[in-house]
Amino acid sequence: DIQMTQSPSTLSASVGDRVTITCRASQSISNWLAWYQQKPGKAPELLIHKASSLESGVPSRFSGSGSGTDFTLTISSLQPDDFATYYCQQYNSYHLTFGGGTKVEIK
Amino acid sequence: EVQLVESGGGLVQPGGSLRISCAASGFTFSSYEMNWVRQAPGKGLEWVSYISSSGSRIYYTDSVKGRFTISRDNAKNSLYLQMNSLRVEDTAVYYCARTYSGSFPPDYWGQGTLVTVSS
Repeated sequence: DIQMTQSPSTLSASVGDRVTITCRASQSISNWLAWYQQKPGKAPELLIHKASSLESGVPSRFSGSGSGTDFTLTISSLQPDDFATYYCQQYNSYHLTFGGGTKVEIK
Repeated sequence: EVQLVESGGGLVQPGGSLRISCAASGFTFSSYEMNWVRQAPGKGLEWVSYISSSGSRIYYTDSVKGRFTISRDNAKNSLYLQMNSLRVEDTAVYYCARTYSGSFPPDYWGQGTLVTVSS
């Protein structure tokens, strides 16, 4: 199976900060990469698919980039509602795999 | 409104069995592929199983092969996961999640159902 490595595992930031999360695949996945946001006790919510396509209703401060094996999720100006855990996921294979998650905490 | 509602979770002893369900509404269930994804307490997300829209293609993660069976009933807009020979490490919240096709990731997820395997 394709392994997804996400970093950092925890990130402390303040409202208004620019935040970047990275995700690396163990083999090329083209741009079959999604990003999810999960809040405690809730199901994950899809933010971005195909590495950089923003889902409808997702604020434009979220953006994704990358292809092949290296990807990034950027939040241009962190808002109070953005404190959550973020996961990358590859769907190049039907055997989906997720990164370990990045918890964005209040500094 | 798209809704996925899981049910059937609970406490079961190691070696026991449980069937969890996912009731779909608000979309054409028979046109969508479905997945089960689980999350152990305080841990990350782990894909468990996939079933195609017709049910003709099925995949499992290695740790559940031979113990879990995914199925669907398109007439009842329902997805199932039969879990046998349960282990303590199967303890998790189980989510069902829909996928339009292999070109898209799971977009809508249910709220999850907790399966606890403990003596």
